Amino acid sequence: NAGVTQTPKFQVLKTGQSMTLQCAQDMNHEYMSWYRQDPGMGLRLIHYSVGAGITDQGEVPNGYNVSRSTTEDFPLRLLSAAPSQTSVYFCASSPGLENIQYFGAGTRLSVL
Amino acid sequence: SQQGEEDPQALSIQEGENATMNCSYKTSINNLQWYRQNSGRGLVHLILIRSNEREKHSGRLRVTLDTSKKSSSLLITASRAADTASYFCAKASGSRLTFGEGTQLTVNP
Repeated sequence: NAGVTQTPKFQVLKTGQSMTLQCAQDMNHEYMSWYRQDPGMGLRLIHYSVGAGITDQGEVPNGYNVSRSTTEDFPLRLLSAAPSQTSVYFCASSPGLENIQYFGAGTRLSVL
Repeated sequence: SQQGEEDPQALSIQEGENATMNCSYKTSINNLQWYRQNSGRGLVHLILIRSNEREKHSGRLRVTLDTSKKSSSLLITASRAADTASYFCAKASGSRLTFGEGTQLTVNP
């Protein structure tokens, strides 16, 4: 049972490049979410999904897209990376918000 | 703005002492969750307290919730150096979980 797996662990991009951060969970959880964490700060919600085919915006959705075609996967896409998107990104999953969240180990992204 | 504001921002204590962290929020919640984050790592869940609960315990952890004051506290008793980490409260409301900025706890041996 791997839990929540995020790839890659580290990534360096140039401004304007696009990429996809991968998130997969093997716990059959309906609820998945993406957060970003900037130095010395808490987590800010980017997008979330309450089930396959359903996504919604969080606090800071601009510059990011998501899709949820399967229960297991919830990729986060940066369409045109900007230096302001330099951050650590965390994916989480749970059966629902009435339950605890299980977090991945994070992806550390630098945009130059 | 982030829900679940915490204080203090930083707390430094000696091993064996108790540590108390506070969290306030602005709107109604379904539950409030506390997480721990070691430096450079992901978040680990500690305790979830529902809006109709007032107090929960887990080992050396005690969480209280006062919905009339829209506040919660996390107490760590008999702290250890290994408790050194950042602690975050997170408010669950609707379909969203929003985090505070956290308390950095340092436990000195």
